[in-house]
Amino acid sequence: AQKITQTQPGMFVQEKEAVTLDCTYDTSDPSYGLFWYKQPSSGEMIFLIYQGSYDQQNATEGRYSLNFQKARKSANLVISASQLGDSAMYFCAISFPGAGSYQLTFGKGTKLSVIP
Amino acid sequence: DVKVTQSSRYLVKRTGEKVFLECVQDMDHENMFWYRQDPGLGLRLIYFSYDVKMKEKGDIPEGYSVSREKKERFSLILESASTNQTSMYLCASSLPGPDSGNTIYFGEGSWLTVV
Repeated sequence: AQKITQTQPGMFVQEKEAVTLDCTYDTSDPSYGLFWYKQPSSGEMIFLIYQGSYDQQNATEGRYSLNFQKARKSANLVISASQLGDSAMYFCAISFPGAGSYQLTFGKGTKLSVIP
Repeated sequence: DVKVTQSSRYLVKRTGEKVFLECVQDMDHENMFWYRQDPGLGLRLIYFSYDVKMKEKGDIPEGYSVSREKKERFSLILESASTNQTSMYLCASSLPGPDSGNTIYFGEGSWLTVV
């Protein structure tokens, strides 16, 4: 079974500094996708970044980058120049082929708090 | 503006009641999902559907059933609600494929309390 592990229940970072949120995964499928989502206190899920298992380069989207180490099965999210608005829950997820289509499994999340 | 709409944001039900949570998407997506979210446990997949009338169990299907009679609508049913089903329920829809996670859209969530 596919598994996602986020080992940091909570993290603190000073405003304007960079922070890394850890994510490791376990799958036997050669084709999969890795995703990060942000969930502010308002509850909506916001897609941040995607990495395909065959992508050679690490994905980047503005201040977000995904540090993909395939051999180690890790997909850490790096947020540069943290802002107060980055305070939220962050979820790592993996898509894998299930019956009929691809489905998503999520980690337990990391609560990030940005300190002024 | 694309949307996944969950009909009820807040519900309070009694133990043993039958509960329906409705979800409608307007993006013509093949995939639809029901997750429940609990503090410290993240999002756990209850059921998903990749086509009309097709459904697959997720990680925690016990105590739940689903219905997808039309492409745009995916219903979650609690046949006999119990207090351990008090949670926030999230519906989502997406296109198929390994990059489906960046086409996934979530509803606003339904907060269910079973007393």
